[in-house]
Amino acid sequence: AQSVAQPEDQVNVAEGNPLTVKCTYSVSGNPYLFWYVQYPNRGLQFLLKYITGDNLVKGSYGFEAEFNKSQTSFHLKKPSALVSDSALYFCAVRVLNSGNTPLVFGKGTRLSVIA
Amino acid sequence: GAVVSQHPSWVICKSGTSVKIECRSLDFQATTMFWYRQFPKQSLMLMATSNEGSKATYEQGVEKDKFLINHASLTLSTLTVTSAHPEDSSFYICSARRAGTSGREDTQYFGPGTRLTVL
Repeated sequence: AQSVAQPEDQVNVAEGNPLTVKCTYSVSGNPYLFWYVQYPNRGLQFLLKYITGDNLVKGSYGFEAEFNKSQTSFHLKKPSALVSDSALYFCAVRVLNSGNTPLVFGKGTRLSVIA
Repeated sequence: GAVVSQHPSWVICKSGTSVKIECRSLDFQATTMFWYRQFPKQSLMLMATSNEGSKATYEQGVEKDKFLINHASLTLSTLTVTSAHPEDSSFYICSARRAGTSGREDTQYFGPGTRLTVL
């Protein structure tokens, strides 16, 4: 079975400071990892994904995430937070080349960037 | 980019009535669509996986007779909440996976969601 853990319900950061949203995963094969962002009353917007290759993945809006196989982590990062980054962030995983299996989501982390 | 639409974006209905939610992939064909349900301040809960032209596969605990899913074409899937009750009030989100893709192109794209309120 595959699962995702986002240990923090809420992350608060001052505007201009770096931000990190944590994610760890558990799968029985090679992971296929995603980050999505959700704004109030909206669907999920794709930020970035990791399949293979470079462990540092760059995505939309200046976000990046680092895949760490030994720690089974895929933390989301941004060097300088903006107030507009305040939203709900979801990490998701599925096993690579696993057919039509859906994404499994973490419970989400609410990011609040304070001006 | 890949766009998924949902209609309606919100709906209010009386208890006992049925509500249909449409999910469309606007600029790509989707052999697989997924329906999720999200409660306030919670994560997405997968309800069912729908493949074009075949019956949907429901997750454990999801009533297939209550949540009817039809995936009649490569661009349209519908979720019908039958005999809705207040406990069915929720945010329903669909997702589509682009047909004929694998590896780097294999991404799920999400609709904007439909907020259902049952009075």
